[in-house]
Amino acid sequence: EPEVTQTPSHQVTQMGQEVILRCVPISNHLYFYWYRQILGQKVEFLVSFYNNEISEKSEIFDDQFSVERPDGSNFTLKIRSTKLEDSAMYFCASSVVYEQYFGPGTRLTVT
Amino acid sequence: DAKTTQPNSMESNEEEPVHLPCNHSTISGTDYIHWYRQLPSQGPEYVIHGLTSNVNNRMASLAIAEDRKSSTLILHRATLRDAAVYYCIPESFQGAQKLVFGQGTRLTINP
Repeated sequence: EPEVTQTPSHQVTQMGQEVILRCVPISNHLYFYWYRQILGQKVEFLVSFYNNEISEKSEIFDDQFSVERPDGSNFTLKIRSTKLEDSAMYFCASSVVYEQYFGPGTRLTVT
Repeated sequence: DAKTTQPNSMESNEEEPVHLPCNHSTISGTDYIHWYRQLPSQGPEYVIHGLTSNVNNRMASLAIAEDRKSSTLILHRATLRDAAVYYCIPESFQGAQKLVFGQGTRLTINP
């Protein structure tokens, strides 16, 4: 069964550094998403992406965040200058219409 | 976004049916009712969705009240693998979706 993959599974970075989280969505999917979950808290929507542009973004998704689909298969989330409060699990998801398929997540730890 | 109310936790025994309720009294006419679950240390996983009629798939059944202000996810024979946090999420299918996760119901299955 096709699945969404994410790399790395765990990323440790220092405050102020840039990080890129990578996702490979399911190949025939059209819509792509990033969510995050701070430890012990709810899953939060960050951004949706369709037809090579952002469809919707949340208040969390400020100028420090960007997304890109550089080569037709990968979907990346970049955090330009990480803060301690960016520490969380980041989940990528993709969908055709009804069901969003989530990846296993990248645990980002900012020290 | 429609507000949802779910019990914080529920407990059941293996091989017994489980009924997980959700109130969504502010649901709009175009919102579908989605159910997702999150197993420990994993990303969310799609379970089922419906609009007005009751729905069945290989994982579960979804019973939707006639006024659509509430729904019930039914696991017919719970297994230990069904222990997870279950979320009901009203969301319309209009292009890219934004899933708004609440606190959900933590389901514990006793052997």
